[in-house]
Amino acid sequence: SQTIHQWPATLVQPVGSPLSLECTVEGTSNPNLYWYRQAAGRGLQLLFYSVGIGQISSEVPQNLSASRPQDRQFILSSKKLLLSDSGFYLCAWTRKGANGANVLTFGAGSRLTVL
Amino acid sequence: GNSVTQMEGPVTLSEEAFLTINCTYTATGYPSLFWYVQYPGEGLQLLLKATKADDKGSNKGFEATYRKETTSFHLEKGSVQVSDSAVYFCALSPYGGATNKLIFGTGTLLAVQP
Repeated sequence: SQTIHQWPATLVQPVGSPLSLECTVEGTSNPNLYWYRQAAGRGLQLLFYSVGIGQISSEVPQNLSASRPQDRQFILSSKKLLLSDSGFYLCAWTRKGANGANVLTFGAGSRLTVL
Repeated sequence: GNSVTQMEGPVTLSEEAFLTINCTYTATGYPSLFWYVQYPGEGLQLLLKATKADDKGSNKGFEATYRKETTSFHLEKGSVQVSDSAVYFCALSPYGGATNKLIFGTGTLLAVQP
């Protein structure tokens, strides 16, 4: 069976510090991978998605970046955090194909607080 | 463009009450439609889905029917329990989307009181 892991689960960082959130998927190959952010009191915003190693698409301009150094690894980073980067970050994966009918499977999330 | 609109919450119900959470969408063609649930402090879990018009998704007593004519996918449950308290998200995936990107509504908080 497939599993998705995210870490760290909780993070408190000062403004201006760097960030690295990691996500790995097990039990599948060549997945599509996604980073979503859920800000307090708001819905989910798609930040990045990746269809393969080294292939990253950004959905919104921001202070964050993403990388996919291995097939089942997806990393969210920042060089200097802003207060507005606080939120709940969710990694997700799905199989390719099926014309959009595939289910996204989410990790447990990483809660980031920037002070 | 593609978008999802959900009723604003919170929705507060007593145990065993009937639940409806409205969801309407805007999309070209025939998107797939989903309901996800987020329990406190956790990630999202798929609750149910429907991939074509008139399909009914169901799971754990929850149901939603894909209505093309009204572009709706309302979530219903006949008798809610305290354990159903969570945030519910409606979402769509555009047809033929090779990237399978999901577009979410803003979520509806459901609070069930004993």
